Amino acid sequence: AQKITQTQPGMFVQEKEAVTLDCTYDTSDPSYGLFWYKQPSSGEMIFLIYQGSYDQQNATEGRYSLNFQKARKSANLVISASQLGDSAMYFCAMRGEYNFNKFYFGSGTKLNVKP
Amino acid sequence: GAVVSQHPSRVICKSGTSVKIECRSLDFQATTMFWYRQFPKKSLMLMATSNEGSKATYEQGVEKDKFLINHASLTLSTLTVTSAHPEDSSFYICSARDLGLGTGNLAKNIQYFGAGTRLSVL
Repeated sequence: AQKITQTQPGMFVQEKEAVTLDCTYDTSDPSYGLFWYKQPSSGEMIFLIYQGSYDQQNATEGRYSLNFQKARKSANLVISASQLGDSAMYFCAMRGEYNFNKFYFGSGTKLNVKP
Repeated sequence: GAVVSQHPSRVICKSGTSVKIECRSLDFQATTMFWYRQFPKKSLMLMATSNEGSKATYEQGVEKDKFLINHASLTLSTLTVTSAHPEDSSFYICSARDLGLGTGNLAKNIQYFGAGTRLSVL
C-alpha cells in the first residue's frame, strides 16, 4: 500500500527566508513519482515540482527544490526566499508504478509567510 | 502549457436538482481524467477515474448513480451530481493526465488540476 505523510499541519516563515516542508512516503513499488502541489485559498491545485524515484539529482524549479532522500523515503520541499504569495496549503503526492493513475496525497501543510 | 479548465467555479442549487461540472484540457489530450472531492481543510479524496470512451472507475464508497461521469472526448470530462442534497456540498476538483508523450513535464505523467467547483446545495 502507498502512503504519504506530512507531519506539519502548519508552518510560519519570515518573508525572504527559506522554509522546508516535510514529506515522507511508504511504498513497495520499484519505481514511483513524487509531486508537490500548492493550493492557494482560491482552491486551484498548482503543480510545483516532480521527482522520479530513479532520478539521480534532486529536482529544482526556480525557488522550489526537492530534497529527495530515497533511503529515508523522504521528499521534502524547500522554498527559498519566501514571498507573501507563497502562503498556501502545500500537498505532497505520490504515484506508484503498478497503479499508474492513482495519486496518493498527504494531509497538507499550511504555510504562512510573515512580512 | 498544460492548462485544465473547470466550469463552473461556484454553483448554488436547490436540493433535488442535478448539477453538471465540466473539466477540459485546453492544450493537451487527456485519455484519463480524475475527479476529486475535498472537504474543508482536508486533503483530496479521489472519487473516480474517467476514461475516454469507456466507463469511469469509481473508488470504493462512491455512488456511481449519484455521481455520473462522462468522458466523451480526449479533452472533456463531465461530472453530474444527480439529485443533489446538502451533504453533497463540497469542493470538487478535476485533473487531467497527459498521454505520456513528449519531453519535460509531459513525459512525467503529471496530473494538472482545474480550479475547482464549490458546490452548495440548499
